[in-house]
Amino acid sequence: GQNIDQPTEMTATEGAIVQINCTYQTSGFNGLFWYQQHAGEAPTFLSYNVLDGLEEKGRFSSFLSRSKGYSYLLLKELQMKDSASYLCAVRDSNYQLIWGAGTKLIIKP
Amino acid sequence: ETGVTQTPRHLVMGMTNKKSLKCEQHLGHNAMYWYKQSAKKPLELMFVYSLEERVENNSVPSRFSPECPNSSHLFLHLHTLQPEDSALYLCASSQEPSGGAETQYFGPGTRLLVL
Repeated sequence: GQNIDQPTEMTATEGAIVQINCTYQTSGFNGLFWYQQHAGEAPTFLSYNVLDGLEEKGRFSSFLSRSKGYSYLLLKELQMKDSASYLCAVRDSNYQLIWGAGTKLIIKP
Repeated sequence: ETGVTQTPRHLVMGMTNKKSLKCEQHLGHNAMYWYKQSAKKPLELMFVYSLEERVENNSVPSRFSPECPNSSHLFLHLHTLQPEDSALYLCASSQEPSGGAETQYFGPGTRLLVL
């Protein structure tokens, strides 16, 4: 079966750095997405990786290793507004998105 | 504001009621999706419409009935639901194929409670 694993919950301190990991086992691979979802709101697109390596976008970076079936989302200089759930999703060989259950990130002052 | 709107935002219904969820996208996309999001579970894809044709139906019970009258509007008709159908129902849209990331843009969802 297809599976996306990510931690259920993480806690970090304002101003610090946090890394949210995602491992996947899917039938084929056609890209990996990270979305942010604040409580009661729509998921919003953060990043897309299809080749190995690091993609940087301001305070957020996303890394992909296709050989290891692994990605992480790195958030720097954490702010209170970064408290949200972070969803990892992989597009499989049929171009279907397989979603993880999300990681709830709690930022403490 | 993602360019995808959903109404109503909250809905409480009895098991014998009939109701409809509405989604509208203002992004000019050609594909629309219904997802179910339950607490601490992955997003579950329910239906996909591409160019107004249904292309995916992931074994969703017949008490959920989608309708896509045009590329900008998507409905989910609900009847004789069960309490376990209580969840957040998300609509999304994308431009397929675009040769790129084909990012899906989500609406804010309808929080459904079935009593």
